[in-house]
Amino acid sequence: DGGITQSPKYLFRKEGQNVTLSCEQNLNHDAMYWYRQDPGQGLRLIYYSQIVNDFQKGDIAEGYSVSREKKESFPLTVTSAQKNPTAFYLCASSMGWGGPAGELFFGEGSRLTVL
Amino acid sequence: SQQGEEDPQALSIQEGENATMNCSYKTSINNLQWYRQNSGRGLVHLILIRSNEREKHSGRLRVTLDTSKKSSSLLITASRAADTASYFCASNRDTGRRALTFGSGTRLQVQP
Repeated sequence: DGGITQSPKYLFRKEGQNVTLSCEQNLNHDAMYWYRQDPGQGLRLIYYSQIVNDFQKGDIAEGYSVSREKKESFPLTVTSAQKNPTAFYLCASSMGWGGPAGELFFGEGSRLTVL
Repeated sequence: SQQGEEDPQALSIQEGENATMNCSYKTSINNLQWYRQNSGRGLVHLILIRSNEREKHSGRLRVTLDTSKKSSSLLITASRAADTASYFCASNRDTGRRALTFGSGTRLQVQP
């Protein structure tokens, strides 16, 4: 079935460690996105990519890094520079790469807890 | 910054009643979308309304858009317990950034 797969679903990290969250899609979508969600709040945009080898900072990019080497994959690294990384991370994709964003398809999320 | 703000933050109704959620945004937009999120899950797209549309229907959902007031509303008619979820509006700013900006959401509880 087509969709977006995020892994791991739950992740625990010690302070000072970098962690990488995986996001893979088989929808043949050009655009991919990473959002962060804190308890009881909306989504905030971390990074997005419209095509392979290109990505743009969102509203809260500090302490995060991404790569887009393949169309299907858009991993997110949460670095030790991120001051408050405990959150629910959501990856999404959408068709096309020009014009306004259309419907986003979301993965099931990865919950990161810093111990 | 949060482009969209939903109102109310939480809503509790009985099955069969209608639920109305409102969303306000600050800048001009290309389109506005509504999403649903069950607790601890990813978001699911419900409906998209373009800036030149005023009303759109999909099953039990009715969305309106008033660009002069920079606001939108989502109406769920004849609600069911299975409609219990958080609902978010998301807008495409008319700035060339090809990404959605989400509001803070409305948590809907439908009592059986």
